[in-house]
Amino acid sequence: IAGITQAPTSQILAAGRRMTLRCTQDMRHNAMYWYRQDLGLGLRLIHYSNTAGTTGKGEVPDGYSVSRANTDDFPLTLASAVPSQTSVYFCASRGEGITGELFFGEGSRLTVL
Amino acid sequence: SQQGEEDPQALSIQEGENATMNCSYKTSINNLQWYRQNSGRGLVHLILIRSNEREKHSGRLRVTLDTSKKSSSLLITASRAADTASYFCATDANRGSTLGRLYFGRGTQLTVWP
Repeated sequence: IAGITQAPTSQILAAGRRMTLRCTQDMRHNAMYWYRQDLGLGLRLIHYSNTAGTTGKGEVPDGYSVSRANTDDFPLTLASAVPSQTSVYFCASRGEGITGELFFGEGSRLTVL
Repeated sequence: SQQGEEDPQALSIQEGENATMNCSYKTSINNLQWYRQNSGRGLVHLILIRSNEREKHSGRLRVTLDTSKKSSSLLITASRAADTASYFCATDANRGSTLGRLYFGRGTQLTVWP
């Protein structure tokens, strides 16, 4: 089934550890996004990429990094996890240039202890 | 923040009633989108309305956009228990360094009772 695949689905992580959340899409979309969702705060944009080879910072980029080596993959890395990064992380891709609808993955629930 | 803000935060209605959710935003936009999220799942796109449109329909959904007031509303008619979910508006900035980014509000939690 075409769409966005995120891994892992859920992870518990000790503070200070490095963690990479994986995101793969098979729709050949150029634009991809990482959001975090926290209760009462809605979705906040962490990083985005309008096309392979380019990335940009969103609203809450600190403590996170991304890369976009190819069209399909957009991993999100936490270099040294902290408890405030406990959240549900959603990857999304954009179907129509940079102005169309977003297609979301099912999310990665991360708990940092 | 360029987020859209939904109102109300929570809405509880009976099946068959209509549900209206509102969204306000701050900056000029290319379009405004509404998404739905079932508990524990990813967001699903419902409808997109462009800045030069005033009203759009899709099945039981009706969206309006008033760019002069920087506001939008989502109406779900004849609601069903299966409509229970969180609904988010998202705004798409139309210029400058924020072009291409989609900003979400905090959402409205809709509960439809059988």
